[in-house]
Amino acid sequence: EAQVTQNPRYLITVTGKKLTVTCSQNMNHEYMSWYRQDPGLGLRQIYYSMNVEVTDKGDVPEGYKVSRKEKRNFPLILESPSPNQTSLYFCASSPGLAGGPYEQFFGPGTRLTVL
Amino acid sequence: GDSVTQMEGPVTLSEEAFLTINCTYTATGYPSLFWYVQYPGEGLQLLLKATKADDKGSNKGFEATYRKETTSFHLEKGSVQVSDSAVYFCALREGNDMRFGAGTRLTVKP
Repeated sequence: EAQVTQNPRYLITVTGKKLTVTCSQNMNHEYMSWYRQDPGLGLRQIYYSMNVEVTDKGDVPEGYKVSRKEKRNFPLILESPSPNQTSLYFCASSPGLAGGPYEQFFGPGTRLTVL
Repeated sequence: GDSVTQMEGPVTLSEEAFLTINCTYTATGYPSLFWYVQYPGEGLQLLLKATKADDKGSNKGFEATYRKETTSFHLEKGSVQVSDSAVYFCALREGNDMRFGAGTRLTVKP
């Protein structure tokens, strides 16, 4: 089954404790992206990656890091989480831009609470 | 930069009512437009899309037409069902730039 998986689905942590949210897709997509969803603000892009070893900042990259060492994986790293990073996070993937404006496929979400 | 504005919710309708959710956009070029739907506890999934002016996207009884002259992509359905209760997001994509509206929560009552 074609899918985007994220782990963990739920996480409660404390300020300053480094964490990683994993994202994996099995569709051989070039493009992957991380979003956060906050009430009244919709989805805002954190980082995206066009392919292996190619990443770029989205609209709200502060406090986050990403890496793309393999095509299927795109982890989101919070080196020192703060309460304002409490949010619902989504990973998404799509084929590369060449050939069309493809829709994105979303993971189920990770609800993060930073105390 | 590019942006998407959609009508604020929540929207509550009775079953079989007509639905319209307004969406307008600003873009520097010629974006593709999307409607995504998010059911409770799930990620977003594509509902429909349109890639150029005057295109009509449709799926599951929902429709939206890409109107370049009014920079709009309004979502419509002639007769909603309880199972349509969800949050709906209008979005645009222009190259690497992907923008989402704030989302509109729809509740359909029997």
